[in-house]
Amino acid sequence: AQTVTQSQPEMSVQEAETVTLSCTYDTSESDYYLFWYKQPPSRQMILVIRQEAYKQQNATENRFSVNFQKAAKSFSLKISDSQLGDAAMYFCAYSSGAGSYQLTFGKGTKLSVIP
Amino acid sequence: ETGVTQSPTHLIKTRGQQVTLRCSSQSGHNTVSWYQQALGQGPQFIFQYYREEENGRGNFPPRFSGLQFPNYSSELNVNALELDDSALYLCASSLRVYNEQFFGPGTRLTVL
Repeated sequence: AQTVTQSQPEMSVQEAETVTLSCTYDTSESDYYLFWYKQPPSRQMILVIRQEAYKQQNATENRFSVNFQKAAKSFSLKISDSQLGDAAMYFCAYSSGAGSYQLTFGKGTKLSVIP
Repeated sequence: ETGVTQSPTHLIKTRGQQVTLRCSSQSGHNTVSWYQQALGQGPQFIFQYYREEENGRGNFPPRFSGLQFPNYSSELNVNALELDDSALYLCASSLRVYNEQFFGPGTRLTVL
């Protein structure tokens, strides 16, 4: 079974600074997807960024980028120029590239942004 | 375009009762997945429905059951409620099984 581990229960960052959230995963599959989701206090889970395992290039979405290290099974999220609206729970998630594409989530990292 | 909606927002039940949660998928999406998120945890996959058929199930007992209707909306039914069933239940829809999942706001279930 696949597992996703987020070792940082809480992180904080100064507004306008950069922060990196860590995620490691365990799988024996070669075809899979990795995601970062954001869950603000409103509870609605929002997709931040997505990475296909077969792509060597790291995904980027505006201020959000990932460092995907396939051999190390590591998938970290970097948030640049942090904004107050970035404060939320961040979940790393894994999906197999076949079957039901169900998401396996980590336990999350609570990010606080300090004005 | 209307996003994923869930009802009710909150629900309080007592142990042993039954509950039905509802989800309306985003327009055109034929796949619905349900997740249980206990307090302080990440969501856990319950099951998925694709074109009205179950298409994958997580490690949940049979008292968790579901339905998907011809309009692709879905229900999650939980029988014989236990205290540990207290959680946020999230529904997610996708255009196809392999596409990005869009989440609803969730239903907060409290079992007393």
